[in-house]
Amino acid sequence: DVKVTQSSRYLVKRTGEKVFLECVQDMDHENMFWYRQDPGLGLRLIYFSYDVKMKEKGDIPEGYSVSREKKERFSLILESASTNQTSMYLCASRAGLTGLSNQPQHFGDGTRLSIL
Amino acid sequence: SQQGEEDPQALSIQEGENATMNCSYKTSINNLQWYRQNSGRGLVHLILIRSNEREKHSGRLRVTLDTSKKSSSLLITASRAADTASYFCATDAGGFKTIFGAGTRLFVKA
Repeated sequence: DVKVTQSSRYLVKRTGEKVFLECVQDMDHENMFWYRQDPGLGLRLIYFSYDVKMKEKGDIPEGYSVSREKKERFSLILESASTNQTSMYLCASRAGLTGLSNQPQHFGDGTRLSIL
Repeated sequence: SQQGEEDPQALSIQEGENATMNCSYKTSINNLQWYRQNSGRGLVHLILIRSNEREKHSGRLRVTLDTSKKSSSLLITASRAADTASYFCATDAGGFKTIFGAGTRLFVKA
């Protein structure tokens, strides 16, 4: 089975801090994704990566950056955390070299981040 | 707005009953997926149906897809308390992005 591991289940940080969320997948998937999930809003895509060192903005990239130096690891960075970034953050991976892979996404258990 | 929109937003049924959730979407798709999310956890993939398929089964799950109406339904038969979760539909339109709906919260009473 595919395993996607997020480094922390719960995280509390202060406004203005630089925050790193780490995600590792063990199935050699090309595509990796970061979402945030807020009540009533579903999942919103922050960034995705289709290959090492490649990244694309999703729907809500403002205030975030990402890094993919190795295929198995995709990091989300909050440059200067703000209270409106308090949320559940979900990482996912998917096989396939293109978006036509007809493959599902595999999710980690999420990081519930609170910014005080 | 979200590509996929689930209906109803919340559903409460007795154990043993069937649960039906619907999903509507706006644009042409390559495939449609259903996911389950238990409280406080990540999403788990349940089933994927391609745009040229009309129905798919997996255990107690039955998914239908009507591309002419841009809609899909997920049927869970003989529901159990352990089926209590949120269920999301998601669509792939051929690009890299998968678009998720806001979900249906299912509560199965024992």
